[in-house]
Amino acid sequence: DAGVIQSPRHEVTEMGQEVTLRCKPISGHNSLFWYRQTMMRGLELLIYFNNNVPIDDSGMPEDRFSAKMPNASFSTLKIQPSEPRDSAVYFCASSFGPSSYEQYFGPGTRLTVT
Amino acid sequence: GQQVMQIPQYQHVQEGEDFTTYCNSSTTLSNIQWYKQRPGGHPVFLIQLVKSGEVKKQKRLTFQFGEAKKNSSLHITATQTTDVGTYFCAGGKGANNLFFGTGTRLTVIP
Repeated sequence: DAGVIQSPRHEVTEMGQEVTLRCKPISGHNSLFWYRQTMMRGLELLIYFNNNVPIDDSGMPEDRFSAKMPNASFSTLKIQPSEPRDSAVYFCASSFGPSSYEQYFGPGTRLTVT
Repeated sequence: GQQVMQIPQYQHVQEGEDFTTYCNSSTTLSNIQWYKQRPGGHPVFLIQLVKSGEVKKQKRLTFQFGEAKKNSSLHITATQTTDVGTYFCAGGKGANNLFFGTGTRLTVIP
């Protein structure tokens, strides 16, 4: 079975550009999470969807960040405009239940904003 | 706000030595999960503990949930080089809240 799929795996962009990260959760999972990981701040939850509905977006840094989940098999995280401080590894994870269930992480997207 | 703290932040051990990481919460947790992230990899679920005082073992790994459900520990016996990575605890509070700890980065010296 395929795990969580993320694309792209690496993204290098210039400050001010729009960045879109994509995630396909494991089939049958009804919760999806976006995390950001940096050396300084560790692993941070950005947003959590359950049955395609955002449950907790309190971790979204600011208005430049937005996330959508149009259906059960696809989600996007968009940064517009991007800034150098957004450079990080962004993980998508899914679970068969709410956040208290075990989460399956994708391989991550390493974003570098110059 | 809700925080889950882990200590130590870093640990270097000689291969064959034991290793323990501790996870502490200021409030009672409904469950605790443990994840391992290899260098350059992604977090991988190891185990979940739910009951007060629960102890679970996976080969050389022993996981414990405190009686008050506010702390947890992961102990590795006789570390091997394959154990290197960062170990995260994640404390659950209710169905929709899971807070990841700061992680402990383990280095095993051959």
